[in-house]
Amino acid sequence: KAGVTQTPRYLIKTRGQQVTLSCSPISGHRSVSWYQQTPGQGLQFLFEYFSETQRNKGNFPGRFSGRQFSNSRSEMNVSTLELGDSALYLCASSYAGANVLTFGAGSRLTVL
Amino acid sequence: DQQVKQNSPSLSVQEGRISILNCDYTNSMFDYFLWYKKYPAEGPTFLISISSIKDKNEDGRFTVFLNKSAKHLSLHIVPSQPGDSAVYFCAASGSGGSNYKLTFGKGTLLTVNP
Repeated sequence: KAGVTQTPRYLIKTRGQQVTLSCSPISGHRSVSWYQQTPGQGLQFLFEYFSETQRNKGNFPGRFSGRQFSNSRSEMNVSTLELGDSALYLCASSYAGANVLTFGAGSRLTVL
Repeated sequence: DQQVKQNSPSLSVQEGRISILNCDYTNSMFDYFLWYKKYPAEGPTFLISISSIKDKNEDGRFTVFLNKSAKHLSLHIVPSQPGDSAVYFCAASGSGGSNYKLTFGKGTLLTVNP
């Protein structure tokens, strides 16, 4: 059974650009969550989607957005990148109502 | 305001000894707690969890203890092995709408020395 797949694994952007990250959940998992990991803050919740609807959102500015498609695949977008957006972005999936999340390997974003 | 705290950034133990990782939380609405392990360049991997209706859960070498009155949980690894060296994250979720997200601590780097 394939795990959670995130692409791209690594990317470098410059300030002011935008970036789109992709996540394919485990087959059958309909809930997809996104987390940002930075050295100082640990893992912070960005948002969670289920059946193409955002059910919960963390305390991030509006530059951070996401969506989920009918096949449960999800994308997140960060516009007008700032140096502080450099982080590991982790996607996780789960069955509906489950507390245990399965994480992907993450997308490492570096903003120069 | 950090609702889940792991006050020890790092812990070093000898192979074969017990590793005890601690976690405190402040939100009394949390009712489910998890531990994840993370190796460099990989995503976090689920290790063990515990519901607030229990005070102990065991899975092989790993045991999680929950003290609700103290809002404290701990992960015991016995015996510790070099392959256990990783960052360990404590996480919590609540009921209702807040069970769609996990609140994580900042992690504890465990080093098991051969």
